[in-house]
This record gives sequence, structure tokens and C-alpha cells, in this order.
Amino acid sequence: AQSVSQHNHHVILSEAASLELGCNYSYGGTVNLFWYVQYPGQHLQLLLKYFSGDPLVKGIKGFEAEFIKSKFSFNLRKPSVQWSDTAEYFCAVGAGGYQKVTFGTGTKLQVIP
Amino acid sequence: DVKVTQSSRYLVKRTGEKVFLECVQDMDHENMFWYRQDPGLGLRLIYFSYDVKMKEKGDIPEGYSVSREKKERFSLILESASTNQTSMYLCASSTPATGVTSYEQYFGPGTRLTVT
Repeated sequence: AQSVSQHNHHVILSEAASLELGCNYSYGGTVNLFWYVQYPGQHLQLLLKYFSGDPLVKGIKGFEAEFIKSKFSFNLRKPSVQWSDTAEYFCAVGAGGYQKVTFGTGTKLQVIP
Repeated sequence: DVKVTQSSRYLVKRTGEKVFLECVQDMDHENMFWYRQDPGLGLRLIYFSYDVKMKEKGDIPEGYSVSREKKERFSLILESASTNQTSMYLCASSTPATGVTSYEQYFGPGTRLTVT
């Protein structure tokens, strides 16, 4: 069974700072990787995904993530955060039959104006 | 636009009651999921279904059951609610993966259940 580890539980940044949220997974086979975001009071929604091909994937709102297979990592980045990026971010890995997806414990990002 | 709706945003029940949480999706998705979301624990999969009348246990199925009689509807049942089932419950749906597409999940707004 797969597992996902998010290193940071709570991150506080000032506006315009750069962001990197760590995500590591454990699974020996082919995986699909996702980052989801939950803005305050809103549905969980997809930020970006990796299925195959270019390991650097771009998502909505200027976010990107890089899949490094040798490190089992899929870190989320944004060069310059905004106050509106305040949210909880979840890394997730999908593998195996029936497309079961396992989520990390989440990182709460607080951006200070 | 995919829409996943859940029957209630907030629900308060007493210990021992039987509780039904309903989820409906309008995109003809084969897969449907129930998660619970707790602070510091992220999302944990309770049950999922990949077809009508089919179900698979997730990581924390104890104390729960599910029903999928129609493709668009997936119900979560708490047979006898307990205080440790107080949580946010999220429903999601997705298409099956193919050789060239992934299977991102679409989530409902959640039901915050309090068991007293």
C-alpha cells in the first residue's frame, strides 16, 4: 500500500515570498501524483497533477510541482505567494487497482499581507 | 462543470442513532469515494465504489457501511453513531483511469457531523 508524507504542517509566509511544500511518497510501482487545495470555506479542488511525461507540471494560479522519481518526491512550488493563497494543501498519490488515492496530512499555508 | 453534492452541510446526531449521509454526482463517474477529514490527519478513505452495487473497504471502514444502488448516488451509513465519528465527511467522484488519462477526484462541499 502507498503512503504519503508532507513535511510541513503549518507554514507562514509574507506576500511575495517563495513557497516550497514538501511531499514524499512510498510505493514501488507507477504512480499518479496530485496536489489539492482547500481554500477557507470551499471545496477541496485539484491544483495540479502528474500522470506521465514531463516531470515538471504546472497548475492553476502559478503553482508548479516537480516529480523526482529517484527521491519519491513531488514538491509544490510558487515563486511569489499572495494573500489569496492562504489555504490548506494536500499531496496525494494514486496507485494500484481501482485508482485508490492516498492523501497526506495536509499543510496549512498562511500568507501575511 | 462537475458537481458533487452532499445532502447536508451540518448534522447533529445523538450517540447510537443511525445516520445516513448522501452524495450525488452529475458527471456519470464510475468511481465514488467517502473520506473523513480530521485536523492533523488529512483525508482518510472510508469506502469507495467503482460500480453500482460494488464497494471496497478503504483504510478506516469500521463503524461504517455504504450503499450504491444507482450510479450517481453513494450513501455512507453510520450504523450506530459514536462520538469518535464526529468529523467532516467528504464525498468524491472520478472517472476510471485509462492508459493515457489520470483520475483526479471531484469533491463535494462536505458534511460536518457532530455526534453528542
